[in-house]
Amino acid sequence: DAGVTQSPTHLIKTRGQQVTLRCSPKSGHDTVSWYQQALGQGPQFIFQYYEEEERQRGNFPDRFSGHQFPNYSSELNVNALLLGDSALYLCASSWTGGRPLHFGNGTRLTVT
Amino acid sequence: AQSVTQPDIHITVSEGASLELRCNYSYGATPYLFWYVQSPGQGLQLLLKYFSGDTLVQGIKGFEAEFKRSQSSFNLRKPSVHWSDAAEYFCAVDAGNNDMRFGAGTRLTVKP
Repeated sequence: DAGVTQSPTHLIKTRGQQVTLRCSPKSGHDTVSWYQQALGQGPQFIFQYYEEEERQRGNFPDRFSGHQFPNYSSELNVNALLLGDSALYLCASSWTGGRPLHFGNGTRLTVT
Repeated sequence: AQSVTQPDIHITVSEGASLELRCNYSYGATPYLFWYVQSPGQGLQLLLKYFSGDTLVQGIKGFEAEFKRSQSSFNLRKPSVHWSDAAEYFCAVDAGNNDMRFGAGTRLTVKP
């Protein structure tokens, strides 16, 4: 039974570019949440998707957007990358109303 | 707004010694409480959770945590630390709105 899988593992982008990160939830889970973890900090909630719609959103600008597909997988898109977007991006999944969250190993994004 | 405070940024203990990591939360009611562990370059692994009932909860790898409502605390303990316990530990709060908030983390170093 595969857990939460994220791709790619590492990514290097240039300031101003756009990036797409991908996540496949744990089998049986239908809700996907995205977190940003800057170096030396705890994860910060970006948003959560359920039934292909954004259900909750943290304090992140509109440059951060997402999508959830019918098979429950999800994408995180970041436009107009800034140096400060460099971080580990974590995807977590759960079943509806379920806790706790199950996390993937993350995508390390470096913006130069 | 709900928040989580982990007062200790870095703790060093000797192998075999006992461990206590502190966590305080700010929320009007009793939230769902979690401890996660993160090894370098990895995602978050759930150690234990508290939803209700017995205030002393047991987790994986010999960890336990005690919920104290009067102190708004959920401290993590282990009676005898192993070198493999060296990692970053995060306390997290879910106030019931599917928005999990994390503390800044405590880095644990284990001396031989």
